[in-house]
Amino acid sequence: QSVLTQPPSASGTPGQRVTISCFGSSSNIGGYPVFWYQHFPGTAPKRLIYNNDQRPSGVPDRFSGSKSGTSASLAIRGLRSEDEADYYCATWDDNLRGHVFGTGTKVTVL
Amino acid sequence: EVQLVESGGDLVQPGGSLRLSCAVSGLTFSDSDMHWIRQPAGKGLEWVSSIGIGGDTYYAGSVKGRFTMSRENAKNSVYLQMNSLRAEDTALYYCARGRNGNDYWGQGTLVTVSS
Repeated sequence: QSVLTQPPSASGTPGQRVTISCFGSSSNIGGYPVFWYQHFPGTAPKRLIYNNDQRPSGVPDRFSGSKSGTSASLAIRGLRSEDEADYYCATWDDNLRGHVFGTGTKVTVL
Repeated sequence: EVQLVESGGDLVQPGGSLRLSCAVSGLTFSDSDMHWIRQPAGKGLEWVSSIGIGGDTYYAGSVKGRFTMSRENAKNSVYLQMNSLRAEDTALYYCARGRNGNDYWGQGTLVTVSS
């Protein structure tokens, strides 16, 4: 099990806003930047957010990230059918002396 | 165009060894930290190892002492030598650059450990 905990699933109807949380501790999220990835299994994951809240060029502004203390969140505004995928948070962990991914959240568009 | 192409995945018996390769093009490889990340079927992403531009390496606890990551700047390539393989190492292995997280990823190579 990962040291970063995410809800296993989240869902919404088209156009709605969905928020995914990522809970960690002072040894990871509390001290290091958080990254978010979108993943369609069997394909290359895509970086959505870096350094907590920065969006790479090409990522729609419907995706936004935030961090507070030892937790982080990814919000998807104006949900679309193509957003149906797995989402992972990630950061560095001082205790493990390595990078860690969250447990992952499957987003379903109803 | 940036490309990361993994190779070397195969079916191997428990206790066996395998060497994965990742060939990188379209970016300045020598200035890039590189990572291996895996995904077992039906499970989440798991970070495996990373190597810095100076050759410093880090490993997940589950592979430490069994896997060795290396790089060859002259060939724009990174490698993952996997020894003492276990059934739980069965996964799709991705190579990725480490810059502001993992900004570029390959398509993965499949490792299956089974008798």
